[in-house]
Amino acid sequence: KAGVTQTPRYLIKTRGQQVTLSCSPISGHRSVSWYQQTPGQGLQFLFEYFSETQRNKGNFPGRFSGRQFSNSRSEMNVSTLELGDSALYLCASSLTGVQPQHFGDGTRLSIL
Amino acid sequence: GQQVMQIPQYQHVQEGEDFTTYCNSSTTLSNIQWYKQRPGGHPVFLIQLVKSGEVKKQKRLTFQFGEAKKNSSLHITATQTTDVGTYFCAGISTGNQFYFGTGTSLTVIP
Repeated sequence: KAGVTQTPRYLIKTRGQQVTLSCSPISGHRSVSWYQQTPGQGLQFLFEYFSETQRNKGNFPGRFSGRQFSNSRSEMNVSTLELGDSALYLCASSLTGVQPQHFGDGTRLSIL
Repeated sequence: GQQVMQIPQYQHVQEGEDFTTYCNSSTTLSNIQWYKQRPGGHPVFLIQLVKSGEVKKQKRLTFQFGEAKKNSSLHITATQTTDVGTYFCAGISTGNQFYFGTGTSLTVIP
């Protein structure tokens, strides 16, 4: 069974640009959550999607948005990038949301 | 807002010593999960605790969920170099939202 796949693995952008990250969950998993991981801040919850609907949202500005497609694949978009957005962005999937999260390897985003 | 605090942030132990990390929530949790992230890797699920006062063991790892369902601990007996990594607790609220702790980074000195 294939795991959670995130693309791209690495990304370098400059301030003001926008970026789209992709996540393909484990087959059959309908819940996809996104997290931002930075040193010292741990895992900060961004949002969770279930059946194409945003079900939960963390405390991030509106520059961070996401969506989920009918095949459960999800994308996260960050607009008007800031230096502080440099982080590892992790996607996790589960069957319905409260089960154990299966994480992808993440996308490491660097803002110059 | 809801917070899950985890202490200590860092822990260095000699191989063979015990290790404990503690997780505290500001509100009552529905359940709690523990994850381990190896250096350069992604978090991997270890265990889930659901019942008040629950204790679960996995070989040298012992997990506890407090009676009030607001705190939890992970204890490793006789640490080994393979235990190196960051251990996260994740509190799940009654609204089914995950709140990850800040993690405890464990270094095991051979």
